[in-house]
Order: sequence, then structure tokens, then C-alpha cells
Amino acid sequence: KQEVTQIPAALSVPEGENLVLNCSFTDSAIYNLQWFRQDPGKGLTSLLLIQSSQREQTSGRLNASLDKSSGRSTLYIAASQPGDSATYLCAVTGANSKLTFGKGITLSVRP
Amino acid sequence: KAGVTQTPRYLIKTRGQQVTLSCSPISGHRSVSWYQQTPGQGLQFLFEYFSETQRNKGNFPGRFSGRQFSNSRSEMNVSTLELGDSALYLCASSPRFGNYEQYFGPGTRLTVT
Repeated sequence: KQEVTQIPAALSVPEGENLVLNCSFTDSAIYNLQWFRQDPGKGLTSLLLIQSSQREQTSGRLNASLDKSSGRSTLYIAASQPGDSATYLCAVTGANSKLTFGKGITLSVRP
Repeated sequence: KAGVTQTPRYLIKTRGQQVTLSCSPISGHRSVSWYQQTPGQGLQFLFEYFSETQRNKGNFPGRFSGRQFSNSRSEMNVSTLELGDSALYLCASSPRFGNYEQYFGPGTRLTVT
């Protein structure tokens, strides 16, 4: 059974800092990995999708990497801003086409 | 292009009642998945529909059911509501069944009293 772990559960950083959010998964037989952002009480916004054959994806200040063999992904946020404050979730798609989510990392960027 | 829409956005029900939630996918998307999000369990997969057929199911009791219509709109139904069913129910759509990027709606917040 696939398990996705995100540690720590919460993170507080000062504005302008570059930061890395980690995600690990137990079964390397995945088709893709997605990073999502969720604002309080809202739905999920897809940030980046990495196919299993890819190593990384970039969008603006965000860069996500994937190391399938070690079961790890990282989301790098450059020059963090208060507007980046949200919960970040990673999810993997396995052979059964189901998304398995981590519990998320709640990020707070202090002005 | 309009995003995924879910109705209603908020709902309050009493234990023992039943509830129906609706999801309209992005135009042209034919796959719809449902998820339950709670503070304790996080996001859990309920089921996925494609071409009006359930293709995948998560580990939820039979009180949770769903269906998809020919226009790809989907509904999920929860019967005999329990307090533990209080959650944010999220719907996601993707172009086809399989390993495609999923786009989520804003969710329906269900409170069971």
C-alpha cells in the first residue's frame, strides 16, 4: 500500500527565504507526482506535475524534482512571499490510477 | 474555460439523513474523481468515474456511492449520515481515465450534527 509522507507538518520562514519542501513515498512504481497548494477552506490548486520519466519541472519561482528510485520529491520555492502561505500537498499516482496524498506541509511566510 | 464546479458549497445535515453532492467537470473532461478531506485522515480517495462507469473505488463503506451522467457530470451520495462524515468533499476532473493531471473544484463542506 502506497504511503506518502511530508515532514515537517508546519514551517514558518521569513519573507525572501528560499525553501525546500520534502515528500517521500514508499512504492516507487508511480506514474506521476503532483504538487498542490491549498488555501484554508478551499480546494486544491495544481502547481506542478512530474511524470515518472522526468526529473524536474519548473513554473516561475517553483521547481519540483523527482527521484523515483529513492521515493523522494522536493518542491523548491525561491524568494518566498507572504502570499505563498498555504498548505502544500504532494500526491502520487500509482498503477491503480488513484492519487495518494501526503498530509501536507502548512507554510507560513512572515513579512 | 470554466473550472470544476461543485454544488452546494456548504451543507448542514443531521445524523441519519442522506445527502447528494454534485460536481461538474471542466468542459471536455470525462473522468471525475471524488475525495474526502478531514483533519485527521487527510485526503482520501472515494471513487473515480469515466464514461458513466465506476473505474476505481477507495476503502469507504457502501453508504458512499456515486454516479456519472452522459454529460460527465457526477454526483455522490452518502446515506445514513454519521458525525464522522463531516468533511470537505472534493471533486477532481481529468481529460481521460488514467494517469493524467487532475484539476480540483472548491469542494463541498459537509457538517453532520
